[in-house]
Amino acid sequence: SQTIHQWPATLVQPVGSPLSLECTVEGTSNPNLYWYRQAAGRGLQLLFYSVGIGQISSEVPQNLSASRPQDRQFILSSKKLLLSDSGFYLCAWSGTGNTEAFFGQGTRLTVV
Amino acid sequence: KQEVTQIPAALSVPEGENLVLNCSFTDSAIYNLQWFRQDPGKGLTSLLLIQSSQREQTSGRLNASLDKSSGRSTLYIAASQPGDSATYLCASRIGGNTGKLIFGQGTTLQVKP
Repeated sequence: SQTIHQWPATLVQPVGSPLSLECTVEGTSNPNLYWYRQAAGRGLQLLFYSVGIGQISSEVPQNLSASRPQDRQFILSSKKLLLSDSGFYLCAWSGTGNTEAFFGQGTRLTVV
Repeated sequence: KQEVTQIPAALSVPEGENLVLNCSFTDSAIYNLQWFRQDPGKGLTSLLLIQSSQREQTSGRLNASLDKSSGRSTLYIAASQPGDSATYLCASRIGGNTGKLIFGQGTTLQVKP
């Protein structure tokens, strides 16, 4: 069966520090991968998606970047965090076509 | 641009009651619609997926319907239990193979014992 792992679960980082969140998927190949952010009182906002290794599409301009170095690995990064980067970050995967999407357990990021 | 709206934002019901959560979307050209459950501080758990060609899907006490022409989906929960307390999110899938999901703001449900 397929599983998705996301870490760390919580993170407190100072303003200006770098960020690296990792997501891996097991039990499938060539998944579509996604990074979403859920800010307090707001819905889920799609940040990045990837349909293959090295293929990254950004949905909104921001202080973050994403990379997909391996088929089932998706990384969210920042060189210098801002206070506004605080939120709940969720990684997700789906197969190609009109298939179901599955989410990881999320990372609570607090920038102080 | 697809917009998804969920009404009500919050709902409190006594245990055992049947209830309906509503989801509406502005662009009917969706590939599918998915309902999720989110417990506080946790990720999303997929509940039901309805393809654009389908009218409804059922899983246990849950039944989700889809009416593309009117841009609406409903999630029916039968015989609610305190363990059903959570935030319920609907998401419409757009963009074909890219699989992008557009989410509503969610309905927070509280089932009182």
